[in-house]
Amino acid sequence: EAGVAQSPRYKIIEKRQSVAFWCNPISGHATLYWYQQILGQGPKLLIQFQNNGVVDDSQLPKDRFSAERLKGVDSTLKIQPAKLEDSAVYLCASSPWGAGELFFGEGSRLTVL
Amino acid sequence: DQQVKQNSPSLSVQEGRISILNCDYTNSMFDYFLWYKKYPAEGPTFLISISSIKDKNEDGRFTVFLNKSAKHLSLHIVPSQPGDSAVYFCAADTSGTYKYIFGTGTRLKVLA
Repeated sequence: EAGVAQSPRYKIIEKRQSVAFWCNPISGHATLYWYQQILGQGPKLLIQFQNNGVVDDSQLPKDRFSAERLKGVDSTLKIQPAKLEDSAVYLCASSPWGAGELFFGEGSRLTVL
Repeated sequence: DQQVKQNSPSLSVQEGRISILNCDYTNSMFDYFLWYKKYPAEGPTFLISISSIKDKNEDGRFTVFLNKSAKHLSLHIVPSQPGDSAVYFCAADTSGTYKYIFGTGTRLKVLA
């Protein structure tokens, strides 16, 4: 069974530029999450999807971050414009709805200069 | 507001000995807890979980203990192996929300 796929693995941009991250969850997993992990901290939930609907985006900075999961499968997280404090690893995770365990991708490391 | 806390940023243990990683939480509505392990440049991987109806769950070398009155859980690894060296995160959830809140992590180093 293929795991959660994320791309790109690494991205370096200047502040005020834009960036997009892509995630393809495990086949059949209804729930998809985007987490932000800043160096030295634990993963922080940005947004949670159930199929193609948003369950929780209360911690997503909506002035600059957006995310979509149009067909209920893969998802894109966009940052525009980026700030220095957005430097982090962006982790995508998926799970079957009602399951206790999240399956994480390898993450996308963003550096904003 | 850090609802899930791991107060020890790092821990070193000799190979073969017991590793004990601790986690405290403040939200009494949490009723499901998980431990994840993370190697550098990889995503976290699930290790073990426990529901609030239990006070102990065991899986091989890994045991998680839950003390609801103290709002505290711990992960015991016995015996510790060099391959266990990683960052360990605890996470908590309120049943039915599946919104996992993670702690800040503890870096475990097992010395050969």
